[in-house]
Order: sequence, then structure tokens, then C-alpha cells
Amino acid sequence: GNSVTQMEGPVTLSEEAFLTINCTYTATGYPSLFWYVQYPGEGLQLLLKATKADDKGSNKGFEATYRKETTSFHLEKGSVQVSDSAVYFCALRNPSSRGGADGLTFGKGTHLIIQP
Amino acid sequence: DAGITQSPRHKVTETGTPVTLRCHQTENHRYMYWYRQDPGHGLRLIHYSYGVKDTDKGEVSDGYSVSRSKTEDFLLTLESATSSQTSVYFCAISEGGYQPQHFGDGTRLSIL
Repeated sequence: GNSVTQMEGPVTLSEEAFLTINCTYTATGYPSLFWYVQYPGEGLQLLLKATKADDKGSNKGFEATYRKETTSFHLEKGSVQVSDSAVYFCALRNPSSRGGADGLTFGKGTHLIIQP
Repeated sequence: DAGITQSPRHKVTETGTPVTLRCHQTENHRYMYWYRQDPGHGLRLIHYSYGVKDTDKGEVSDGYSVSRSKTEDFLLTLESATSSQTSVYFCAISEGGYQPQHFGDGTRLSIL
């Protein structure tokens, strides 16, 4: 079956530090990969996505590259801000004959804390 | 923000009572999903719908049922709530294909 593994944290960094949150996956075929962010008391917001190998998703200074050879989709940001403090989820979707009805398979989430 | 409204946002109820959560969308998306979020588990799929009256089970469907009589509404029912169903429930919608899912703000359900 499908699975996603990510560091759970909490990960604590100082403002302007470099961020990496590791994400690796197990899936057959060619899944789509996503990063979602959840701020306290809110739902999940899509941060970025990649639909095929070597695609790079990017948004708000965050980047992740779909690496099929290492089955990874690590999230990076060059200089984090206090406002980036949140929980980050890596997720995958495996296409099926229902053309998109599959749910997402999520990692357990990484709690990121940025200190001023 | 995607037009997704979950109701109620908070609910406290007792073991053995029926509970219905509602998800309403204004995006006319074909696909709708219910997830639950629990510490140490991330989000897990309960049920999903791929059209009006078309639904299927997800990873953790035991104890839950769903209905979709209109494109815009997807209901999640706990026929007889148990304490293990205390959780935060999220609805999501998608156009399908490679399009991502968009999430509502969640319903916090406590079963005493």
C-alpha cells in the first residue's frame, strides 16, 4: 500500500535559518506529491505540489523536488520567518480508474517552531 | 480560499448518540472527502464521494456512514458515537485528475 514518512518534530529553528523537512514515500506507480501547511485552529492549506518525477514545486519561498530514484519530496526554505511556524504535512495521491477519487495518504506531520 | 463550509465547528455529545457533520461546497467540484485528524496519525481518510449518490470507503470507515444527495453537500454520520471517535474532522473537495484537494476548517468533535 501507500505510505508517507516524515520527521515529526518539533523542529525548532531561529529566524533566517535554512529549513529542511524530510519526506519519503512508498507507492506503486507514479503518485502525485503534495505539501500542506496547517496553522493553529485552521484547516490544511496546499503549499506546493509535484505531479511527476523531477518536477519542482515552489510557493512562498518553499521548494520541494520530486525524486523518484530516492522516493523523496523534501521541503526546503532558505530563510524561515516566525510566521512560518505551523505543522507541515507531506502527502501523496495514487491515481486510480476513478480519475481522482482517491484520498490522500498523509505523513504524521512535522511541527515547526521558529524563534525570533 | 475554496468555498467549503463545515458545520458545526464544535460539538460535544455523549456516547451512544447519533451525530451528523455537514460539508457544504460552492465550487461545484465532483469529488468530496471526509478525513479525521488525530495526534500521531496525521489525517486518515474515512469516506469519499465521486458524484451524487456515489460513495466509497476509506482507510478508517468502521462506525461511519456518508450520504451525498446533492453535489454541494456531503454528510458524515456517526450512528452511535463512541469515545474513540473523538477527533477533528476535515472535509476536502477536488476537481479530480491531478488537481489537489482543498480543505475546510474542520469540526472538533468530543464524545464523552
